[in-house]
Amino acid sequence: DQQVKQNSPSLSVQEGRISILNCDYTNSMFDYFLWYKKYPAEGPTFLISISSIKDKNEDGRFTVFLNKSAKHLSLHIVPSQPGDSAVYFCAASYSGNTPLVFGKGTRLSVIA
Amino acid sequence: NAGVTQTPKFQVLKTGQSMTLQCAQDMNHNSMYWYRQDPGMGLRLIYYSASEGTTDKGEVPNGYNVSRLNKREFSLRLESAAPSQTSVYFCASSEARISYEQYFGPGTRLTVT
Repeated sequence: DQQVKQNSPSLSVQEGRISILNCDYTNSMFDYFLWYKKYPAEGPTFLISISSIKDKNEDGRFTVFLNKSAKHLSLHIVPSQPGDSAVYFCAASYSGNTPLVFGKGTRLSVIA
Repeated sequence: NAGVTQTPKFQVLKTGQSMTLQCAQDMNHNSMYWYRQDPGMGLRLIYYSASEGTTDKGEVPNGYNVSRLNKREFSLRLESAAPSQTSVYFCASSEARISYEQYFGPGTRLTVT
């Protein structure tokens, strides 16, 4: 049973446009959500997070939106740059007491 | 600070051979984790250690053992490697007991023939 789902395996966006990566979850107990970015031959790196008490968190070009009623979060990258081309993983946890659960990832390609 | 280091970077094993993947972190983190990444499967947790002296199974623990040697080091052992264990293995650490923001090592690419 997949608790964190990233239904789009890949996404292509033109440089300068907005990239929107989506993530759905099934466990209503999740209260903290994160996005990680992974380049080939490297480990994932933390990008941005959001607590369930918020519906938006922004960090520079990256914004994460959380819709608790829909059990859905999204990562917006504006403007997209070629260096953003990577695999993005959504992850979730609850109570700070359980390990993160990761989605399968979405490969973003930003085309110059 | 080196962050999280893993050795080796690459390894080829024959079926039935054993090996230990090493992981160390220099951030004084309490929790450490081992993941495997397979195409189309995302990151799956093998084992984790919430604090020094404790270890727990994750989603895919079969065929693996772990040792939390001290606060810095967390090793993953394959006693009898199988082709199904061909994967990229990542070690990670986090500050809090079980926490959110994990720091990952560069990975070990393991091939079992």
